[in-house]
Amino acid sequence: DAKTTQPTSMDCAEGRAANLPCNHSTISGNEYVYWYRQIHSQGPQYIIHGLKNNETNEMASLIITEDRKSSTLILPHATLRDTAVYYCIVRGSSGNTPLVFGKGTRLSVIA
Amino acid sequence: GAVVSQHPSWVICKSGTSVKIECRSLDFQATTMFWYRQFPKQSLMLMATSNEGSKATYEQGVEKDKFLINHASLTLSTLTVTSAHPEDSSFYICSARGVGRATYEQYFGPGTRLTVT
Repeated sequence: DAKTTQPTSMDCAEGRAANLPCNHSTISGNEYVYWYRQIHSQGPQYIIHGLKNNETNEMASLIITEDRKSSTLILPHATLRDTAVYYCIVRGSSGNTPLVFGKGTRLSVIA
Repeated sequence: GAVVSQHPSWVICKSGTSVKIECRSLDFQATTMFWYRQFPKQSLMLMATSNEGSKATYEQGVEKDKFLINHASLTLSTLTVTSAHPEDSSFYICSARGVGRATYEQYFGPGTRLTVT
């Protein structure tokens, strides 16, 4: 699976949009981009995933560049409860391939 | 989303004893389960992958005789830490993938914090 690069940490003001970047320049054609987050001392929580089109759900939006070498997770109106470590993961479509976690981005939402 | 539970949520045991951690998929059949370990301020590290009815596949560096994994049914997997030592103290997280709603997503349990004294 392709490697991802994320900033170590970011701050965001409460109520503003949080934009979390991820670089995955070695992604291959059949690999998806997944985003998970982990709130302190809890298991990771699925946020969103995509292949090449932009995706939106009730939690976030995922913007994938046309060349698929990078993506951005957008939390439209960040709240204090969005403070967590956010992981961008690239993985193939095989059902048995596990998610491999990098170091992620620690997002701090500030009141 | 699909629900994965773990039991216990935390456990303290003495060095040399064994501890069993259960992972259950509550509303879907988990054909594949994964076990991760997370040390403080570090990311999740994959320990092993198990498919229902088959032997688990362990990642390099993980001792299969120390971390026994059983995936005997489509809703239950267990991780037994045998002869635990203080360095085994960690946050253990299971994850499941299966049929139905969880076809392509990997759902995680809440984790089990193990402290070995």
